[in-house]
Amino acid sequence: SYDLTQPPSASVSPGQTASITCSGDKLGDKYASWYQQKPGQSPILVIYQDTKRPSGIPERFSGSNSGNTATLTISGTQGMDEAVYYCQAWDSSTENVVFGGGTKLTVL
Amino acid sequence: QVQLQESGPGLVKPSETLSLTCTVSGGSISSYYWSWIRQSPGKGLQWVGYVYYSGRTNYNPSLKSRVTISADTSKNQFSLKLSSVTAADTAVYYCARALPSFYDYWGQGTLVTVSS
Repeated sequence: SYDLTQPPSASVSPGQTASITCSGDKLGDKYASWYQQKPGQSPILVIYQDTKRPSGIPERFSGSNSGNTATLTISGTQGMDEAVYYCQAWDSSTENVVFGGGTKLTVL
Repeated sequence: QVQLQESGPGLVKPSETLSLTCTVSGGSISSYYWSWIRQSPGKGLQWVGYVYYSGRTNYNPSLKSRVTISADTSKNQFSLKLSSVTAADTAVYYCARALPSFYDYWGQGTLVTVSS
C-alpha cells in the first residue's frame, strides 16, 4: 500500500514561516493536497493540486511538490493557524486516495 | 454553497452493519465524486471510498470486502454501508465532495460507536 509520512509535530513563532513536509514514493508524480483541521471541526482544504489555493484561503498558505516530498508553507504564521495539517495524495492510475498521519502545528 | 449532512445511528453493535447517509444541498450529486472519510478518536484521516454519480465506485483496499457506497440521484443523497463492524470501526465519519483528486466540501461529521 502507498504511505505518506508527515512529522507528528512542528512549531513556529508568530510572524515566522512554517514548513510542513509530506513524503511518499514518487509523490511528485501525483497530485498533493493539504487540509487544516482544528479541534472539533471538519477538515478544510488549504492547498490542492500541489500549489493551488482555494478561494478564501489566505495568500500566506502555499504548496510545492517534487520528487518524493510535498511541502506546505505558511508565511507570516498567525495564532489562528495553529491546527493539525494533513497531506493527501491521489493516484490517478488506481484512483485510490491516501492521507498522511497529520502534523500538529503549534504557534508559540 | 454546497452543504453536506451525515445522518444515521450513532451506536452499532459488533458484527452488525453500519449505515450512514449523506444529504447534499446547494448542488446536484449528478456530477463529481462523493466520498466517505473516517477519523478514529484522536487519530488521522482514512479514506473509505467514493461513488461517482453514475454508480461507479472505488474503495480503500483495506476495507473493500466490507464496504458498499451507493448514490441516489433522485434524493440527492449517497450512502455508506460497512459490514461486520468491530470496535476498530468506531470513528467520526465524514462525507465529502471529491474533484476527484481533492476534497473541497465536507460534512460536519458524525460519530459512530461500535459497542454492545
